[in-house]
Amino acid sequence: KAGVTQTPRYLIKTRGQQVTLSCSPISGHRSVSWYQQTPGQGLQFLFEYFSETQRNKGNFPGRFSGRQFSNSRSEMNVSTLELGDSALYLCASSFAQGGSQETQYFGPGTRLLVL
Amino acid sequence: AQKVTQAQTEISVVEKEDVTLDCVYETRDTTYYLFWYKQPPSGELVFLIRRNSFDEQNEISGRYSWNFQKSTSSFNFTITASQVVDSAVYFCALSEAWNQGGKLIFGQGTELSVKP
Repeated sequence: KAGVTQTPRYLIKTRGQQVTLSCSPISGHRSVSWYQQTPGQGLQFLFEYFSETQRNKGNFPGRFSGRQFSNSRSEMNVSTLELGDSALYLCASSFAQGGSQETQYFGPGTRLLVL
Repeated sequence: AQKVTQAQTEISVVEKEDVTLDCVYETRDTTYYLFWYKQPPSGELVFLIRRNSFDEQNEISGRYSWNFQKSTSSFNFTITASQVVDSAVYFCALSEAWNQGGKLIFGQGTELSVKP
């Protein structure tokens, strides 16, 4: 079974631009979560989607948004990029209902550099 | 408030040594789940183990073992006879039952370097 895939793997943008990252979950998984990893703040939860609905959101500004499609694939968007948005963005999927007890399986991440 | 602390930022050992990675957590929830993940240089987080708050039995999987103690809010991870391939950053994470939408709270990670 294929794992979680994320595209693109690497991205370079300039301040003020916007970016869209894509995540395809493991087949059969309906919950998708997004995390930001930086050297200073570590791994931080962005948001989680299940059945096209955002169920949970972390403490990030409104510039960070996401959505989930009917096939469970998810995208996240960051508008008006800032230098501090440079990070590794990780997507994770979990089986069925999702929720706190489910194991999340992570993709390889998208490394975003904002210049 | 929920929190995960991995006090060891970096650990360096020589191959075949045993090494223990510490994890201490804080939560007010009575039902919660603890995880360990491994992050090799490639960046992908690899799932190692999940434990729920009602199961305090220690677990062993090959060279890996985990010691869960609710009394001290700790969930420590031991690698026996370490190998160079164990070099990675290891993360401990907490998920609380009330949090329907699968939010993992991560510790800061412990970077393990195993030298030949």
